[in-house]
Parts: sequence; C-alpha cells; structure tokens
Amino acid sequence: GAGVSQSPRYKVTKRGQDVALRCDPISGHVSLYWYRQALGQGPEFLTYFNYEAQQDKSGLPNDRFSAERPEGSISTLTIQRTEQRDSAMYRCASSLLEIDSPSDTQYFGPGTRLTVL
Amino acid sequence: AQSVSQHNHHVILSEAASLELGCNYSYGGTVNLFWYVQYPGQHLQLLLKYFSGDPLVKGIKGFEAEFIKSKFSFNLRKPSVQWSDTAEYFCAVRGPISGGYNKLIFGAGTRLAVHP
Repeated sequence: GAGVSQSPRYKVTKRGQDVALRCDPISGHVSLYWYRQALGQGPEFLTYFNYEAQQDKSGLPNDRFSAERPEGSISTLTIQRTEQRDSAMYRCASSLLEIDSPSDTQYFGPGTRLTVL
Repeated sequence: AQSVSQHNHHVILSEAASLELGCNYSYGGTVNLFWYVQYPGQHLQLLLKYFSGDPLVKGIKGFEAEFIKSKFSFNLRKPSVQWSDTAEYFCAVRGPISGGYNKLIFGAGTRLAVHP
C-alpha cells in the first residue's frame, strides 16, 4: 500500500482480555516502530525492529507487552491481561533504512485506539 | 531525563494571523529535529525536519522552522495561517538524547484552532 496501515482502528476490550494490534509497514521499509500515546501527551517509544529482529524493546512497560515481526514485514503488538491503564492510541511507524541512520525518517500509520473497560 | 518541551498546549488564532509554536529540548549534542502534524481524523504526518546544514528549514504548506543551537530550540512558524491549519502539532527529537537515531522523543503537542 501507499502508507503504513494499522488494524483495527478502534478496539474496545474488557479488563483481563488479550489484544493483538497489527501494523503493515510501507512496502520496502525495513525498520518498524511502535509508540503509545496517552491522552494529552505525545507518542512514547515502545519498541522497534530491523527486518524481523527486535532491536530495542526498552520502552515496553512490562512483560504483558510483546511484539513480533516474524517475516520482516507485518508486525503484531500483543497486550496480555489488559488493564485500564493500557487505554491509549497505539501508533506504528516504518522507515526505509536498516541502520541507526541520522538521515532516516519515520512515517506513521493512523493508529489503533484501544479502550479497556 | 532528556525531554522535549512545547510551551503552548492550546493556541487559537484568526485566519491570516502569524503563527509561532515553541519547541525546546534538553540536550546540547547532535540532534535531528522534526515537526509532525495531525489533522482531525488523520494520522501523524511529517511537516518538516532538520538533520544538518541550513538551520532554517522549509516544510510543506508554507511552514518553516528555525534551529537555534544556542537556545536548544526548533520553533515552528507560518506567516499567515488558514482554517485548514487547524490540527495538533508535535515537535520531536532524536539522536543521543533519545538513545539513538531509531527513537523519537515527542513533546506533548500543541492544539491549534484557526477561526475563519
């Protein structure tokens, strides 16, 4: 596709349920990033991948959060045993280059709005 | 902790007014700087970016930003706003300040409302 796509766009779940959020990056982009944005705040880094390798997961808040990108393209962010504090906009971005490059640019998808009741 | 500050959380302007949104970061080393915009109902879009060279950067839709290293600032400007500029604007920085060029640190955002 022309841009980064995410699904679902909206997800409402009950506390304790698991959720899986999907990101489809721009074709050819080798790096993929996940951010979380709470209401009234800017996006905060969660994790990123180069191809299928998860290079940095320092932003994942706890072990209920995990992410994978098994074939180096589509990525899934999974939240187990959701809690109300997990409610936020989850944003995915992708970029062309695979190295820690100062000349690279991240392009964002529309986000998934997660609400945990 | 390293951070990005956007001083104005809400700005209201009339059409044709001039705009300046402040952005400051708390690091004195090499940084890449960005402004992203989110129009109502749309996703985050890149407005402009600074990597190196001329500190005055031109972006899309008539926006520009000036990198002032001595002030750790990267303010966004537009000489004459339009109603269609109503959006939320985010400043972002990366580099050693964020732990590498693969991580962006965002400010809290500024909501701009332009009245006809």
